[in-house]
Amino acid sequence: QQQVKQSPQSLIVQKGGISIINCAYENTAFDYFPWYQQFPGKGPALLIAIRPDVSEKKEGRFTISFNKSAKQFSLHIMDSQPGDSATYFCAVPNIGTASKLTFGTGTRLQVTL
Amino acid sequence: DAGITQSPRHKVTETGTPVTLRCHQTENHRYMYWYRQDPGHGLRLIHYSYGVKDTDKGEVSDGYSVSRSKTEDFLLTLESATSSQTSVYFCAIRTVVTEAFFGQGTRLTVV
Repeated sequence: QQQVKQSPQSLIVQKGGISIINCAYENTAFDYFPWYQQFPGKGPALLIAIRPDVSEKKEGRFTISFNKSAKQFSLHIMDSQPGDSATYFCAVPNIGTASKLTFGTGTRLQVTL
Repeated sequence: DAGITQSPRHKVTETGTPVTLRCHQTENHRYMYWYRQDPGHGLRLIHYSYGVKDTDKGEVSDGYSVSRSKTEDFLLTLESATSSQTSVYFCAIRTVVTEAFFGQGTRLTVV
């Protein structure tokens, strides 16, 4: 069973600050590492994903950094805004069957004014 | 929207009663999933399907069954609901190894 460890469980950041969420995994069948964003009352939605032929991917204020040897990847939110307040999940494809995704336990981000 | 509809959106049921949740997609995606979301546990896979009549268990499958008789529909059944199955249930669809699209969720309360 794939183990995915996500930290921190909750995070409070001031507006304009940097939010950093980390994810560590044991093994994966496929190098595809997504982050999902979930607002209250809604389903998770893909925020950004990386296929690690690169060690970093940036989309606007959101960046994924990937360390394959350490089996870790992280989400950085630059210039954090109150609208970024949500729960964030990392996900890792299961070894043995890449069709299954194992999710982290989630990080609740609150961006204060 | 990714063309996923979950029904019902909210349900309250009594312990011991059967409950069926429905997930309907209009995207013709091969893979469909049922997850439950609970505080402190994130999203945990209950069952998934990789084609019509092809299903497999996830990490928390006890007490749940599924069926997929058509590409577009994936049903989750709680044969005899228990209070521990009070949760928010999400259906997701996916093509091969790409992003998963989630439905809006079903909030189930077992009293």
